[in-house]
Amino acid sequence: DAGVIQSPRHEVTEMGQEVTLRCKPISGHNSLFWYRQTMMRGLELLIYFNNNVPIDDSGMPEDRFSAKMPNASFSTLKIQPSEPRDSAVYFCASSPRTRTADTQYFGPGTRLTVL
Amino acid sequence: GESVGLHLPTLSVQEGDNSIINCAYSNSASDYFIWYKQESGKGPQFIIDIRSNMDKRQGQRVTVLLNKTVKHLSLQIAATQPGDSAVYFCAENENQAGTALIFGKGTTLSVSS
Repeated sequence: DAGVIQSPRHEVTEMGQEVTLRCKPISGHNSLFWYRQTMMRGLELLIYFNNNVPIDDSGMPEDRFSAKMPNASFSTLKIQPSEPRDSAVYFCASSPRTRTADTQYFGPGTRLTVL
Repeated sequence: GESVGLHLPTLSVQEGDNSIINCAYSNSASDYFIWYKQESGKGPQFIIDIRSNMDKRQGQRVTVLLNKTVKHLSLQIAATQPGDSAVYFCAENENQAGTALIFGKGTTLSVSS
C-alpha cells in the first residue's frame, strides 16, 4: 500500500495567493483528517470527514480555509487568501473506520511557506 | 478546554538504555490513547495504542502503561537505538463518534551512541 499521499510536498507562495493542498487517503479508509503543525501550537485538527461528509470543522481557523472531499479517494484543503501566519506543515491522515477513536495513518505532509 | 500535555519536552539517553516518555491527560472521559513517533520531515507514525479497559500493552520493544487513577500514560522503549530518535506524541480520544484525537505537544527523544 502506498500510504496516504499528499501533494505538493513543499509550497512557497506570496501573501494573498490561493493555495490548494491535496490528499489521497489509503484505499478503503473512510475517515480523513486534515491537521496543521507548528512549533508553537503543535498538531491541530482542522477538519475531518467520514464517508466523504465533513463531520467537524471547528478547527478551521477562518473562512479563508475550506476543505472538500468530492470522493473517497481525494480531498483538498484550500486557503484563500493566504497569509504569512498560515505557514506550517499540513498533514492529511486517514483511518479505516468511521469512529475517530481508531488509528490514524498520516501522510508525509505539505510544508507551506507564505511570504 | 481539556488537553493532553507532556511532562518533559526533551529526553536524552544512551544507546541501549531504556527510555520512558510520559504523558498526562486531563479528560477523565478519554477512553483511547495512541503513541505516535515523528521523525524529522515526516508525518507522525503510529507506534502503539491502548484502550481504557487495559493498563498495559506491549509491542515490539515498546510498552504503553495507562494509569487511569492519576490520568497518566507512558511509553517505554527497551534497548533504545539511534533510530528511535524522534518526537513522540501521545493522543487521546473519548472513543465516541464525533470526537477527534487530541495530541500533546510532543517529547523529543535524543539517543546518543
